[in-house]
Amino acid sequence: ELKVEQNPLFLSMQEGKNYTIYCNYSTTSDRLYWYRQDPGKSLESLFVLLSNGAVKQEGRLMASLDTKARLSTLHITAAVHDLSATYFCAVARNTGKLIFGQGTTLQVKP
Amino acid sequence: DAGVIQSPRHEVTEMGQEVTLRCKPISGHNSLFWYRQTMMRGLELLIYFNNNVPIDDSGMPEDRFSAKMPNASFSTLKIQPSEPRDSAVYFCASNAGLRIGTDTQYFGPGTRLTVL
Repeated sequence: ELKVEQNPLFLSMQEGKNYTIYCNYSTTSDRLYWYRQDPGKSLESLFVLLSNGAVKQEGRLMASLDTKARLSTLHITAAVHDLSATYFCAVARNTGKLIFGQGTTLQVKP
Repeated sequence: DAGVIQSPRHEVTEMGQEVTLRCKPISGHNSLFWYRQTMMRGLELLIYFNNNVPIDDSGMPEDRFSAKMPNASFSTLKIQPSEPRDSAVYFCASNAGLRIGTDTQYFGPGTRLTVL
């Protein structure tokens, strides 16, 4: 059974600081997704990582994928309050399913 | 494009009642997914369709849950009878399904269901 684990599950950080969220998964997969969810809202797609070594960046967020280690990271650079949200990684199965991690709730304090 | 449309946005019902949730996927998308989100269990895939055909319903929790997709622009998730433990946010998502599971899923706003 494919398992996807994120850590930390909760992260409180100061504005301007850097931090990394980790996403580990248990079996091989050909795609990994990162989503953002604001409180009471839906999920918004951030990144799709397609291959080993893939790196995507959008603003202060950068995601990378190491398929050999079965690890993806979401790096936050110089955090700002607007980045406060819950971030999910999800791993695709060949069957078409996405298996989601538990989510990491990020709180950025001024 | 209007994105994925779900209705109702909020539903409050009493235990034992039938509940029907509705979803209109993004036009041109041929894969549709139903998810349930709770604090305890996180985000769970209930069922998904490709070209209106159910592909995997292994996440459907019980026989009380059923889903249909009569055409490419409409799907329903029905709970009959509903129970308090069904209280959750139910999301519908769709993707273009060029190859199943290899395209970004776009989520609807969700239906917040409360069963009293």
